[in-house]
Amino acid sequence: DADVTQTPRNRITKTGKRIMLECSQTKGHDRMYWYRQDPGLGLRLIYYSFDVKDINKGEISDGYSVSRQAQAKFSLSLESAIPNQTALYFCATSDPWTAQETQYFGPGTRLLVL
Amino acid sequence: AQTVTQSQPEMSVQEAETVTLSCTYDTSESNYYLFWYKQPPSRQMILVIRQEAYKQQNATENRFSVNFQKAAKSFSLKISDSQLGDTAMYFCAFMKKYGGSQGNLIFGKGTKLSVKP
Repeated sequence: DADVTQTPRNRITKTGKRIMLECSQTKGHDRMYWYRQDPGLGLRLIYYSFDVKDINKGEISDGYSVSRQAQAKFSLSLESAIPNQTALYFCATSDPWTAQETQYFGPGTRLLVL
Repeated sequence: AQTVTQSQPEMSVQEAETVTLSCTYDTSESNYYLFWYKQPPSRQMILVIRQEAYKQQNATENRFSVNFQKAAKSFSLKISDSQLGDTAMYFCAFMKKYGGSQGNLIFGKGTKLSVKP
């Protein structure tokens, strides 16, 4: 089984809808991240969490919210989806004590907002 | 703020040959990490190699090695004996080791590498 899983893998939604992307990990890492990838722009950080009670905004947090339900689960929500949120979304985890700051990525969720 | 620049949007190489991908970065930090990630058509992000800034020795992982020039803020990736499976997008990334935003990856825009038979 994959260490970092994301659901759904693909999603089509309409403008104005609320959607949630979910991330789960079995690596036992405390730190979790949400990134967005747009063509030609690389990955950009949306939110990150260093533990269940520590959640921080990243470079492009506007229009997004997150929830850290447990050490292993980190969800990303789009409260009212808009077409320019069409992108590939990645969850990642890390552990500075055992993984030496290396981030491990999930398989990604491709989101299309019509 | 830190920035990462990959100046080669696309590159190609013949199978079994060697190719070097360029990456430069801008930072005022002295303690940081640098990474190369590979993204094949499956879109999975896969760690290729990692370098700690305080280590002068260049990191190597099998056919992959880096040329880390700290003063020049350069971090190039060399792929030896290129294989068809190396075809992918390659992203260079920077991470501060201490202070605010510690642990957050800053990515370049990527280089699309095609390995030709």
